[in-house]
Amino acid sequence: DTGVSQDPRHKITKRGQNVTFRCDPISEHNRLYWYRQTLGQGPEFLTYFQNEAQLEKSRLLSDRFSAERPKGSFSTLEIQRTEQGDSAMYLCASSLGAVRETQYFGPGTRLLVL
Amino acid sequence: KQEVTQIPAALSVPEGENLVLNCSFTDSAIYNLQWFRQDPGKGLTSLLLIQSSQREQTSGRLNASLDKSSGRSTLYIAASQPGDSATYLCAVPTNAGKSTFGDGTTLTVKP
Repeated sequence: DTGVSQDPRHKITKRGQNVTFRCDPISEHNRLYWYRQTLGQGPEFLTYFQNEAQLEKSRLLSDRFSAERPKGSFSTLEIQRTEQGDSAMYLCASSLGAVRETQYFGPGTRLLVL
Repeated sequence: KQEVTQIPAALSVPEGENLVLNCSFTDSAIYNLQWFRQDPGKGLTSLLLIQSSQREQTSGRLNASLDKSSGRSTLYIAASQPGDSATYLCAVPTNAGKSTFGDGTTLTVKP
């Protein structure tokens, strides 16, 4: 068990470009969460999956954002037509499923949009 | 809507001191509360998960307490060390599991 991994760890892009991030959860975990964190703030919920089903999306997730978890294992988060306001740390977490279970976080992907 | 507040936003203490970090939440109908540590530019490391039926959880020099009725949790750190310097976040999950976080307390322990 190597924990939750995220790739890339850092991404610099120009405004208007598309970016995609990947998250690999702990292998037996069926819940996967995406959060966004800006400097000095706590993480904000974006979306989550139960296996391959995307069960909830925050209103923070505009139509430029899309997330998938095609086989119930890894997940991708894509941002189209990036804006400078998208600059943030994107965090992925996974858990065994029940709300009473601990969430384990990955190291995050730091995005900078120029 | 659940709101989570952490006070103070920053705390500086000399090495060896015992300290308390505070977390308050507005909706007392919680399943559990989780404390995390975050080092600069890094992800979150889970420290303690305290279930709604519990009053306390301990791990090493850390002790978390929970008072649902008053909407409060505290994280007690004994004999602080410079390596404890980090941002400490508390989080409360909804029934769907997604968590609402406070903005954290940034702790600096001076040698």
